[in-house]
Amino acid sequence: GAGVSQSPRYKVAKRGQDVALRCDPISGHVSLFWYQQALGQGPEFLTYFQNEAQLDKSGLPSDRFFAERPEGSVSTLKIQRTQQEDSAVYLCASSFPVGGEGTEAFFGQGTRLTVV
Amino acid sequence: GDSVTQMEGPVTLSEEAFLTINCTYTATGYPSLFWYVQYPGEGLQLLLKATKADDKGSNKGFEATYRKETTSFHLEKGSVQVSDSAVYFCALSERGSYIPTFGRGTSLIVHP
Repeated sequence: GAGVSQSPRYKVAKRGQDVALRCDPISGHVSLFWYQQALGQGPEFLTYFQNEAQLDKSGLPSDRFFAERPEGSVSTLKIQRTQQEDSAVYLCASSFPVGGEGTEAFFGQGTRLTVV
Repeated sequence: GDSVTQMEGPVTLSEEAFLTINCTYTATGYPSLFWYVQYPGEGLQLLLKATKADDKGSNKGFEATYRKETTSFHLEKGSVQVSDSAVYFCALSERGSYIPTFGRGTSLIVHP
């Protein structure tokens, strides 16, 4: 596709439910990032992939959060046993080439997760 | 760790007014600096960037200069339009890190 695509755009989950958020990066982009954006805040880093390798997951807030990118393209962010504090917009971004000076990240529109 | 501090919003201006949004950063190395913009209902998109000291990034009438001595990257525009209403995010990425770090964003509202 022309840009980064995320689905679903909106998700309402009951507390304790598991959710899976999908990201389709721009074709050929090596790097993929997940961010969490709370209301009125900037994006907070969650995890980073280079192709299928998860090189950094230091931002994942708990072991309930898990991300994968098994074939180096589509990525899924999974949240188990959702809590109200997980309510946020989850952003996916991709970039090419791998890092380097001034590499632009291309963002999807995000998935707004509301835990009730 | 690295961090970015932006002025709090919302910034409310009349059309054709001069805009400044302040951004300062803390970094352990020599980062690249970015401004991203998020229009209502859309994803973040790159507005401009600078990769070394004294570089000026510019796009759509917006400018920002990489000031290493003051660790700043302030966004300016000489004459704003209603269509510039959006949330603006300052960001940095360290060389070799690849992971952008963002400020909290500054909302700009431009009235006709």
